[in-house]
Amino acid sequence: QVQLVQSGAEVKKPGASVRVSCKASGYMFTSYHLHWVRQAPGRGLEWMGRINPRGAYTVYAQDFQGRVTMTRDTSTSTVFLDLSSLRSEDTAIYYCARAGVWELLGDWGQGTLVIVSS
Amino acid sequence: DLVMTQSPDSLAVSLGERATINCKSSQSVLSSSNDRNYLSWYQQKPGQPPKLLIYWASTRQSGVPDRFSGSGSGTHFTLTISSLQAEDVAVYYCQQYYTTPYTFGQGTKLEIK
Repeated sequence: QVQLVQSGAEVKKPGASVRVSCKASGYMFTSYHLHWVRQAPGRGLEWMGRINPRGAYTVYAQDFQGRVTMTRDTSTSTVFLDLSSLRSEDTAIYYCARAGVWELLGDWGQGTLVIVSS
Repeated sequence: DLVMTQSPDSLAVSLGERATINCKSSQSVLSSSNDRNYLSWYQQKPGQPPKLLIYWASTRQSGVPDRFSGSGSGTHFTLTISSLQAEDVAVYYCQQYYTTPYTFGQGTKLEIK
């Protein structure tokens, strides 16, 4: 079955960078886009962007342009989210999600809590 | 960006009663090329990731109980739970996948009255 296993929680200082990983299994890694969605404490869902693991093509939400980078490692079926210049407002749970046909997010990782605090 | 606005922000419904959540988009999400509405609904329970319930505005994801239904077209959409069960307590989000960024509504918290 499809599994998306994310890396563990992180605590970072303002201005630092964070990398969150999402290891996929149970399907052909290069056949489906992977999206990143975040959720600040007690808040709603915010779409950050997606990556096509086949060609590493990315689309980022404008709100994160210049601070976000999504990459993948096909040898380990893992996608990575790098977010730089962290500020307190970036404190959130970060989810990866696999998109089936038409970008529907049918499978989700367990989430990774990132805390940004001095 | 396409803005998704849900109403109400929270809702309390008695067990067995109908629950209705609305979602409005700032632009149409109806594609003229395939006559489909690029609108989905997700359910999120505390401590869990979201779960896809409905796509194309009205198509239930496999395994979703038939008490969940979606309707609407263009810019106005509705998620209806025909007979509320205790396990339906959650936050519900609409999302458009018509154009990037694939924006979500702010969420509607559904509780038992």
